Amino acid sequence: QKEVEQDPGPLSVPEGAIVSLNCTYSNSAFQYFMWYRQYSRKGPELLMYTYSSGNKEDGRFTAQVDKSSKYISLFIRDSQPSDSATYLCAMNQMDTGRRALTFGSGTRLQVQP
Amino acid sequence: DAGVTQSPTHLIKTRGQQVTLRCSPKSGHDTVSWYQQALGQGPQFIFQYYEEEERQRGNFPDRFSGHQFPNYSSELNVNALLLGDSALYLCASSPERSGVFSYEQYFGPGTRLTVT
Repeated sequence: QKEVEQDPGPLSVPEGAIVSLNCTYSNSAFQYFMWYRQYSRKGPELLMYTYSSGNKEDGRFTAQVDKSSKYISLFIRDSQPSDSATYLCAMNQMDTGRRALTFGSGTRLQVQP
Repeated sequence: DAGVTQSPTHLIKTRGQQVTLRCSPKSGHDTVSWYQQALGQGPQFIFQYYEEEERQRGNFPDRFSGHQFPNYSSELNVNALLLGDSALYLCASSPERSGVFSYEQYFGPGTRLTVT
């Protein structure tokens, strides 16, 4: 079983829809959670990061972390065709010896105009 | 402010050959990590360099080695290439300020390696 599970999609939505992207994880030591956006054949771009449980909002994006359920989400409001990309969740431990990021396999999102 | 840069963009090698990939971190960043991303998968951690030393290593064989230079730039070397080494190789940098850990990692565009 992978440490981080993510539905690969593709997820297809109409422009303007609210998008919900999710990851589950098994390692309870993870405390720092990130979402990256990756366009085709490009490097991942950091969108948001959160520490421990709670919500964080940045423009059209909201990240949620539920550590009790080992479940994280990214919501995109008023989705645009330019949001079409692969979304990767990533996480790591607040441990000086382990700074590697553990990624999900990514969810491919298509926003139809 | 330049972000993370990597070279070359694309590379084609033959099985058994050796390859060197290069990375320059974002300005102000001193920690460099390397990841391998196979098609349709998330990036997999190879290793991380800080203060010119390998600080942490993922589950990759010794054929994968690296180096960090005094200006914080880094190289990834892969020996005895296998077909399965074909992937996008990503470099990520992060700042490590004394007493203040920053866990966000910023990625470069990657080097696409094809092994034939």
